[in-house]
Amino acid sequence: DIQMTQSPSSLSASVGDRVTITCRASQGIRSDLGWFQQKPGKAPKRLIYTASNLQSGVPSRFSGSGSGAEFTLTISSLQPDDFATYYCLQHNNYPWTFGQGTKVEIK
Amino acid sequence: EVQLVESGGGLVQPGGSLRLSCAASGFTFNEYWMYWVRQAPGKGLVWVSRINDDGTATNYASSVEGRFTISRDNAQNTLYLQMNSLRPEDTAVYYCARNLGTSSGEEDFWGQGALVTVSS
Repeated sequence: DIQMTQSPSSLSASVGDRVTITCRASQGIRSDLGWFQQKPGKAPKRLIYTASNLQSGVPSRFSGSGSGAEFTLTISSLQPDDFATYYCLQHNNYPWTFGQGTKVEIK
Repeated sequence: EVQLVESGGGLVQPGGSLRLSCAASGFTFNEYWMYWVRQAPGKGLVWVSRINDDGTATNYASSVEGRFTISRDNAQNTLYLQMNSLRPEDTAVYYCARNLGTSSGEEDFWGQGALVTVSS
C-alpha cells in the first residue's frame, strides 16, 4: 500500500497568514492527488484535484502544487472559514490512501 | 440535486455483521464509480472500498479485505457495504461518496455518514 505522510499534524495560525501543508507519498503517484477540507461534524469536500487544479467554486487563495511523491497545499491568506482539518488522498494505486490530516487552528 | 443518504448503521457485537446502504438520487447512478470512506471518532479519514459503474470491479483497503463486500443495485440506485466479522476498530462513521478521485474536476459528493459501533 502507498503511505501518505502529511505534515504538520496540526498548526496554529492567524487570519491573514500564509499556510503550507505537505503530503509525501511512499512512491511516485504522478499527479493523482486531491486535497480535501473537513469541518467538525461534516463530510469532507475536495478543494484541489490532480494536485494543482482548483475545484470549481473554491476560493483562489487555495492552491496545490507538486507531482511524483511530494505535494503541497497552500492557503495564501487564511480566512476565518478556513479553520478546519485538511487531508490529501492519493488515487494512483489501489488501495487509495489518505494522509493523516492537518488540523488548522486559530492562534 | 445530487443526494447520497446512508442507512443501516448501529450497534453490533464483535464478530457480528451489518449492511450499510447508500441511496442515491439526482444523477444517473449507473454512470458513476462509488466509494466508501470511514472515520473513527476523533480520527482521520480512511478509504475503505470502491466499485465500478456496473459492479464488476471492486477494491478494498487491506484492513477490511476479506471481511467487507461492496456491491450495488443500479435498478434501485443503491450502494451497499456488507460488513462481516466486525471488530471494535471498525467503529466509525461510514460515508458513501461519488467522484472521490478525478482527473476531470467533476464535483465530489458525500453522504451525511452512518455511525457503526462495534462493542459488547
